[in-house]
Amino acid sequence: DAGITQSPRHKVTETGTPVTLRCHQTENHRYMYWYRQDPGHGLRLIHYSYGVKDTDKGEVSDGYSVSRSKTEDFLLTLESATSSQTSVYFCAISSPSGSSGDTQYFGPGTRLTVL
Amino acid sequence: KNEVEQSPQNLTAQEGEFITINCSYSVGISALHWLQQHPGGGIVSLFMLSSGKKKHGRLIATINIQEKHSSLHITASHPRDSAVYICAVTLDGSARQLTFGSGTQLTVLP
Repeated sequence: DAGITQSPRHKVTETGTPVTLRCHQTENHRYMYWYRQDPGHGLRLIHYSYGVKDTDKGEVSDGYSVSRSKTEDFLLTLESATSSQTSVYFCAISSPSGSSGDTQYFGPGTRLTVL
Repeated sequence: KNEVEQSPQNLTAQEGEFITINCSYSVGISALHWLQQHPGGGIVSLFMLSSGKKKHGRLIATINIQEKHSSLHITASHPRDSAVYICAVTLDGSARQLTFGSGTQLTVLP
């Protein structure tokens, strides 16, 4: 447990509405990630952050934006939700694990349904 | 072509059997990860490997860097091992984000 929480845990929204998902960590890790998980596609990277105000796009970033104004919070925003964004969203952090690399710890996930 | 390939996609075993899940990758990596996801549950990191072998309880993970291949073994399998097992890699030079395989659904029958 790396002290990662996500809110909300479940959300149902309508097409065209904005949605913001929050990821909060308590251990001051530099790297944070947003992934989505879909049947048939597995887990894919949406956006990531390597520090406050430092973010970059991942594999499936279209339709999403992110912000990181504090080390502990990484926000994912769907500016205008579409049904194709119905998914389970996982936040993760990267924690150094000695000389061999970083271990990733995942939040509990947010199930988003766009009607 | 997927950068990370797992096999098998589905695996059913009897309690007590020795289980092997395979992962191959086609890119340069700095580390390989094995993750576990129970139905409706979160994702837990089991192992992070850059070389050799690691063991935790009944779980063993190995990696062969030259062959770009890793295996996850479960000894004396138990129904509580039923889960999706996901192989993922950290690409060389990346910001430590993971690239994932499609997962292996393991069911262990009592």
